[in-house]
Amino acid sequence: DTAVSQTPKYLVTQMGNDKSIKCEQNLGHDTMYWYKQDSKKFLKIMFSYNNKELIINETVPNRFSPKSPDKAHLNLHINSLELGDSAVYFCASSQERGGVDQETQYFGPGTRLLVL
Amino acid sequence: AQSVTQPDIHITVSEGASLELRCNYSYGATPYLFWYVQSPGQGLQLLLKYFSGDTLVQGIKGFEAEFKRSQSSFNLRKPSVHWSDAAEYFCAVVPGNNDMRFGAGTRLTVKP
Repeated sequence: DTAVSQTPKYLVTQMGNDKSIKCEQNLGHDTMYWYKQDSKKFLKIMFSYNNKELIINETVPNRFSPKSPDKAHLNLHINSLELGDSAVYFCASSQERGGVDQETQYFGPGTRLLVL
Repeated sequence: AQSVTQPDIHITVSEGASLELRCNYSYGATPYLFWYVQSPGQGLQLLLKYFSGDTLVQGIKGFEAEFKRSQSSFNLRKPSVHWSDAAEYFCAVVPGNNDMRFGAGTRLTVKP
């Protein structure tokens, strides 16, 4: 019973394609996140989202868009993939802000994206 | 500039030896502090966290960390390292604006 799951685990695709990465959490959390980990292992937040607001890191290209069909899911859609998008993408979740444990984030296993 | 610093990119220790991984932060107020571990090809697993209270916190897998306000540090320690501890370790903070920031990571190699 994985807490935060992502699919696919690996994704290899051509430049210019559009792809989606799915994320699901069964923790009952209200806030979900997407992070990008580059080849040097540096982790950078891309989005945080709950049912009230979407916060976008200003450095994220608008080719990237989060889509949330419901509270337990936050998918990442990427248009017109570029070589530089190759990275590991992590989904995470946390309780809604205001709780005692609000800032503890639980991460998925990651999706390794390679753009050729 | 506000930042999270892990000064050691790579550390090698012998199995059974003690370990200390350093983490320093530079934020005006004490942020929430975390250590995560990433095994090869895996996601991030939370080891421990500090919000307030006792400055020595215990985590999973025998790890502990000590918050030192005067040094703006939150170093991770383990008295006896096991080969399975070989991984990448990330210090993370959540400052007042609720945006989690990660250090660059420290890669731990364990020698037999």
